[in-house]
Amino acid sequence: DQQVKQNSPSLSVQEGRISILNCDYTNSMFDYFLWYKKYPAEGPTFLISISSIKDKNEDGRFTVFLNKSAKHLSLHIVPSQPGDSAVYFCAASRGSNYKLTFGKGTLLTVNP
Amino acid sequence: DAGVIQSPRHEVTEMGQEVTLRCKPISGHNSLFWYRQTMMRGLELLIYFNNNVPIDDSGMPEDRFSAKMPNASFSTLKIQPSEPRDSAVYFCASSLIGQPGNTIYFGEGSWLTVV
Repeated sequence: DQQVKQNSPSLSVQEGRISILNCDYTNSMFDYFLWYKKYPAEGPTFLISISSIKDKNEDGRFTVFLNKSAKHLSLHIVPSQPGDSAVYFCAASRGSNYKLTFGKGTLLTVNP
Repeated sequence: DAGVIQSPRHEVTEMGQEVTLRCKPISGHNSLFWYRQTMMRGLELLIYFNNNVPIDDSGMPEDRFSAKMPNASFSTLKIQPSEPRDSAVYFCASSLIGQPGNTIYFGEGSWLTVV
């Protein structure tokens, strides 16, 4: 039973356009959500997070939106750059619980 | 600042052999995690240590897997005997639990191939 789902294995966008990566979760007890980015042959690196008390968090070109009623979050990258090409993992946790549950990732390709 | 350091980066071994993966967490972090990444299952948490004590090993696949953390700066994940289905990327990660959020920092991974 996959509690965090990223239904799009891949996404391709043009440089300068918006990239939207989606994530759904089933466990209503999750209250903290994170996005990680992973380049080939490297470990995942933390990108941005959001607490369930918020519905939006912005950091430069990256914005995460949370829709608790729909159990859905999304990561927006504007404008997209070729260097953003990577696998993006959505993760969720419950309270101060250490345990992060990850989705399977979405491969983003930004074409010049 | 040094990040999480893992060794070896790549390991190819024969079925039945013992494999030991090593990890040095970020200095000052009090929690250490071992994750496994496969195409089928994505990133799975195998085991979690807090202050060198194993807290949750429910993700360890079976008795062939064991993990230790003898001190705050070193951990091992051992597979004995190894099987081809153990082929995966094994990530070690560390965190300072108690800080806002649950951000954990990953090493670059150990790529294991069992033939």
